Order: sequence, then structure tokens, then C-alpha cells
Amino acid sequence: EVQLSESGGGLVHPGGSLRLSCAVSGLDFGYYEFNWVRQAPGMGLEWISYISPTALDISYADSVKGRFTISRDSAQNALYLQMNSLTVEDTALYYCTRGPLYSKSYYNQHWGQGTLVTVSS
Amino acid sequence: FMLTQPHSVSESPGRTVTISCTRSSGSIATNSVQWYQQHPGSAPSLVIFENVQRPYGVPDRFSGSVDTSSNSASLTISGLKTEDEADYYCQSYRGTKQVFGGGTKLAIL
Repeated sequence: EVQLSESGGGLVHPGGSLRLSCAVSGLDFGYYEFNWVRQAPGMGLEWISYISPTALDISYADSVKGRFTISRDSAQNALYLQMNSLTVEDTALYYCTRGPLYSKSYYNQHWGQGTLVTVSS
Repeated sequence: FMLTQPHSVSESPGRTVTISCTRSSGSIATNSVQWYQQHPGSAPSLVIFENVQRPYGVPDRFSGSVDTSSNSASLTISGLKTEDEADYYCQSYRGTKQVFGGGTKLAIL
């Protein structure tokens, strides 16, 4: 069974940093692409970052570019999101998602349960 | 580009409902459209991918389509059940960057 398990969320002051982790099991990690998608309280879904299987292709939403960094560790079967210069607008539930295998399309085939990030003074 | 969905729709059990997703610029046929279902307090789950495909386990009451004349995609749910009450999001992409619609709240009356 495929499992994505996020951790690392919490309460942080504006301007602070957090590192989110996503532990992946039940699949051959190195073959898959991953994304981070967030959802502010009571709001819709916002895609924020993508990483290819080799990590050679990475992209970010304009709202987080220059502040957030996505990475992956095949030895740990883990995905990460380093978040710096956080603002109250970054308050959201952050989901780790897995993309499809051998597809030309970009979407979220499997989702974790999310980790909550709250930015507040 | 943006994807625009109706804020809410409602229908009775057993009936059929269609949720639209209109692309603001560029052709809807350029990149595939996906649909996700999200129940309150739960993570989203994929119900339609590549415009018309259903993941394993999603009932055939769920179907997707694309209409280039209106530059929109649609999710149709037939034989509505109370468990279909949820938020539904469409999604497409440009390159590796994804775009989500604002979501549609489906109420089963």
C-alpha cells in the first residue's frame, strides 16, 4: 500500500523557517515525481512545488519562489520542503503528493494526510 | 491561465449533476484536466485523470469530458448518493506547474 506521511508542521513566527518532510513507502521511490500542494483554512487547493524523479527538474509557484526549496532523498525515501521567510499567507495544510508513473501529464495521483503550518506572531 | 468553477451546485439523490471548469486562456485541449474529490477533514482524492479516465476503485457514476467550443472540462456524477457530497476541484498544468480551479461545493439535497 502506498503511503505518504507528512511531518514538520507547527507554529512559527513571521519571518521564520520550517522544514517539512514526507516519508514515502509502498512504491519504488526513485521512479516517481512528487509535488507539494497546500490549502489555507477554508480555502481551495494551491500547487506550490514539483520535483522530477532525478531532481533535475524542479519548479515553484510564484507565491513561494525564492523562499521555498524542494528536495528529495532516495536513501531515505523522503521528500522535503524547506520554507524560509514565512508570512501569515503561508498558513495552510501542506500536502505531499505523488505524480503518475510513465505519464506525460502532471497531476496528483496519491495524497498524504497533510501537515499544518501556522504562521503567527 | 486560470480555471473557473461554479462556487456551488446542488441536486437530489439519484439525479445527475455536472460541474464545469472553464480555462481562461489557451485551449482546454492543450493539457489534460483532472478532477479531485475532497470530503471535509480529509485529503483530496483523484476521481478523473487525463480528461476522461477513472482511477481504479472510482465508480463509473463519475465521468469526465472536455468541450473545446466552450473551452471547458466537465465532471458528471450520475445516480447521486449522499456520500458524493463534497468539494470538487479541477486541475490542469502548464509545463510542470499545476493550476487548480477554485473548487465547487456539491450539496445533496
